[in-house]
This record gives sequence, structure tokens and C-alpha cells, in this order.
Amino acid sequence: EAQVTQNPRYLITVTGKKLTVTCSQNMNHEYMSWYRQDPGLGLRQIYYSMNVEVTDKGDVPEGYKVSRKEKRNFPLILESPSPNQTSLYFCASSLRDSGDEQFFGPGTRLTVL
Amino acid sequence: AQKITQTQPGMFVQEKEAVTLDCTYDTSDQSYGLFWYKQPSSGEMIFLIYQGSYDEQNATEGRYSLNFQKARKSANLVISASQLGDSAMYFCAMRDTGGGADGLTFGKGTHLIIQP
Repeated sequence: EAQVTQNPRYLITVTGKKLTVTCSQNMNHEYMSWYRQDPGLGLRQIYYSMNVEVTDKGDVPEGYKVSRKEKRNFPLILESPSPNQTSLYFCASSLRDSGDEQFFGPGTRLTVL
Repeated sequence: AQKITQTQPGMFVQEKEAVTLDCTYDTSDQSYGLFWYKQPSSGEMIFLIYQGSYDEQNATEGRYSLNFQKARKSANLVISASQLGDSAMYFCAMRDTGGGADGLTFGKGTHLIIQP
């Protein structure tokens, strides 16, 4: 089954404790990205990657890091989480430069205390 | 830069009625795609329909159709014969399809509630 998986689905952590949210897709997509969703703001892009070892900032990259060492994986790293990073996070993938849909993961609900 | 505007924060609609969710967009790209996603209370993002900027016909997918008016820069979603299960958040989004590296730019969403 074609899918994007994220782990963990739910996470409560404390300020400053480094965490990683994993994202993996099995569709051989070149393009992967991370979004955060906050009430009243819709989804905003954090980082994206057009292929292995190619990453770039989206609209709200501050406080986040990513890496793309393998085509299927695109982890999101919060080196020192803060309460304003409490949000719902989505990973998505698609064919590069395509008008086709972006496939979304199930979401990770993060709370930073 | 791309921008999506959804002017209806919330809507209440009677079951079986047709629903139109508004979406206007702004972009300087010539080649772009417009998307609608549904987000039920469970949280997942469900792709509904896609319209390319060069598509001459309005897209349709089952009960969903996209009323694309390029000159007005609008891409309204029409849901025919609404059902209780249509209650959800709906997001309009767009993406450059001309070779740019942009992801999806989303609107703020419309919360649709279908009443029995």
C-alpha cells in the first residue's frame, strides 16, 4: 500500500529536549516536505527536499532541521523545542514538479511544555 | 509569492443541499495547480480534487467539482448532495507546477458542518 508514515503520532515533551519526528514514504517520490498546522493559520511549510541531499527552507523554518540521506526518509529534528512549536505536524511527498497530489502522513501532534 | 484566501471560516448547511466553498488565489506563476483537501476531526489530510491552470474543463470527482474561473483567480469547491460525513475542515491549496521548488500554499480553511 502506497503511504507516508510518521512516528510518533503523539508526543509530549519539555522545553529544550531534542526530538526527532520520522517520516518515510514507499512511493519513490523525489519531493518531500514538512508542514505545521496551527488553528486559524492553515498549514505552513517548514522545510522541503527535492531529492537526496537537497533540502531547503520553507516559510517557517526557524527552530527546525531536516536531513535527506535516503530517498524514502525525511526526518524533522527539533534541537531545542520550545512551547511555540506545539503544533500538528504533517509530512508529505509527491513526484517532483508534478501537479499530482501530495500524499500526506497521518500527522504528529506535538506538545512542548 | 503565492497566496490563498478562503473567506468562509465556517458554514452550516442542511443535509442533501449543495455546498460551495470559496477559494481565491494570487500568483505570478503561469503554470500552477489548485487542490482541495478535506480534514475530518480525526486529523488526516484527504485529497479531494485537482485543477491545473491550463486545464480547460472544470475538474470533477464524484460529488466534488471545482469551479475554476481563471480570470477571477477563483477555484471554488462544489459538493453536491451533501452528507453528514462531509462535515470537516476544507483547505484550498496551490502549487507551482512550472519547475519551481515550492510546496503547497494553503488557505486557512473552512469548517463545514452538515446538519441533519
